[in-house]
Amino acid sequence: DADVTQTPRNRITKTGKRIMLECSQTKGHDRMYWYRQDPGLGLRLIYYSFDVKDINKGEISDGYSVSRQAQAKFSLSLESAIPNQTALYFCATSRDGNTEAFFGQGTRLTVV
Amino acid sequence: GENVEQHPSTLSVQEGDSAVIKCTYSDSASNYFPWYKQELGKGPQLIIDIRSNVGEKKDQRIAVTLNKTAKHFSLHITETQPEDSAVYFCAASRTGGFKTIFGAGTRLFVKA
Repeated sequence: DADVTQTPRNRITKTGKRIMLECSQTKGHDRMYWYRQDPGLGLRLIYYSFDVKDINKGEISDGYSVSRQAQAKFSLSLESAIPNQTALYFCATSRDGNTEAFFGQGTRLTVV
Repeated sequence: GENVEQHPSTLSVQEGDSAVIKCTYSDSASNYFPWYKQELGKGPQLIIDIRSNVGEKKDQRIAVTLNKTAKHFSLHITETQPEDSAVYFCAASRTGGFKTIFGAGTRLFVKA
């Protein structure tokens, strides 16, 4: 089984719809992250969480929200999707900020 | 703000040749430098990392060098093979930091 599992893997949604991307991890790490990947822009941090009670905005949090339901679960929501949120989204986890990050397989989201 | 610049954005080499990807970081307090490989349809996966107390690290055909004075670090892949074709990301972080900064990525093509 994968260390980090994201669902769904692919999703097409309409402008204005609410959508939730889910992530679960089996590494037992406290830190979890949501990244967005766009061609030529690398991985940009949307939100990060140090533990269930500690959630922080990353560099591109506008239009997104998150929920840390448990140590192992971290979901990302788009309250009202717009076309420029079309991207590849990755969830990741790490033991701390200075060690290896383990990534999920990604969710390809298309907003039409 | 903190950033990591990565060059080139695209690299094409002949099978058996060497490939070099270079990164520059801005935060002089950075002390952990991982390299991730992203294959098509998958999430990034750590292939090698280096900490600031060493200048070079090698693992079979891949090596990473670090020049702290110049704030440069590089990935070297020798005897490239078609399965090395992927997107490679460099990154930097520091002890006590809350996030890892990623480069924009290098798409490596190895021609058979």
